[in-house]
Amino acid sequence: GQQLNQSPQSMFIQEGEDVSMNCTSSSIFNTWLWYKQEPGEGPVLLIALYKAGELTSNGRLTAQFGITRKDSFLNISASIPSDVGIYFCAGPPPGDSSYKLIFGSGTRLLVRP
Amino acid sequence: DGGITQSPKYLFRKEGQNVTLSCEQNLNHDAMYWYRQDPGQGLRLIYYSQIVNDFQKGDIAEGYSVSREKKESFPLTVTSAQKNPTAFYLCASRNRGRGGELFFGEGSRLTVL
Repeated sequence: GQQLNQSPQSMFIQEGEDVSMNCTSSSIFNTWLWYKQEPGEGPVLLIALYKAGELTSNGRLTAQFGITRKDSFLNISASIPSDVGIYFCAGPPPGDSSYKLIFGSGTRLLVRP
Repeated sequence: DGGITQSPKYLFRKEGQNVTLSCEQNLNHDAMYWYRQDPGQGLRLIYYSQIVNDFQKGDIAEGYSVSREKKESFPLTVTSAQKNPTAFYLCASRNRGRGGELFFGEGSRLTVL
């Protein structure tokens, strides 16, 4: 089946540093979603992207829909301890009206104060 | 406040017992989903329902059952046929149509003793 490959798997950074992570697919997606999950909680939607080349920001977070439609990137600027969590990319397979999202395996972010 | 409520938050079960996880939403969303999450992995779809009295199997439906008798409720039963039921279970809902993204509950952690 279709898969989303996320990298890196984990990151351990110093507070204040910028963070970049990405998600790639072997097939085209029409929507890219980025979620954050904190320990023991459900994922929370951070950013939704609907158009190739789209660049969208949410506070210190910026995400881009790759122009090939096979990848997406998430950047976090000036990281703070509350950024800790697992970041997932996700998307509905094209032509799937039931919106069965496919999720990447996540990037685990740890921030050192 | 509108949202998705999952209960119980933690559940312990002996092998051979069925257990039902509750999911209730007051967002007036049409579609509801159940995902399973294992450590270090992404989310995998168990079942989903787009309208009342209708539901479809996801990628890992074996050993699970659901019902959708009311728009706001989508309970998941983990049966004794599920070989490895210990996991974190997440319920989600969305409005059908473009731009209606998935909102998740806080999850239920099931441990089989």
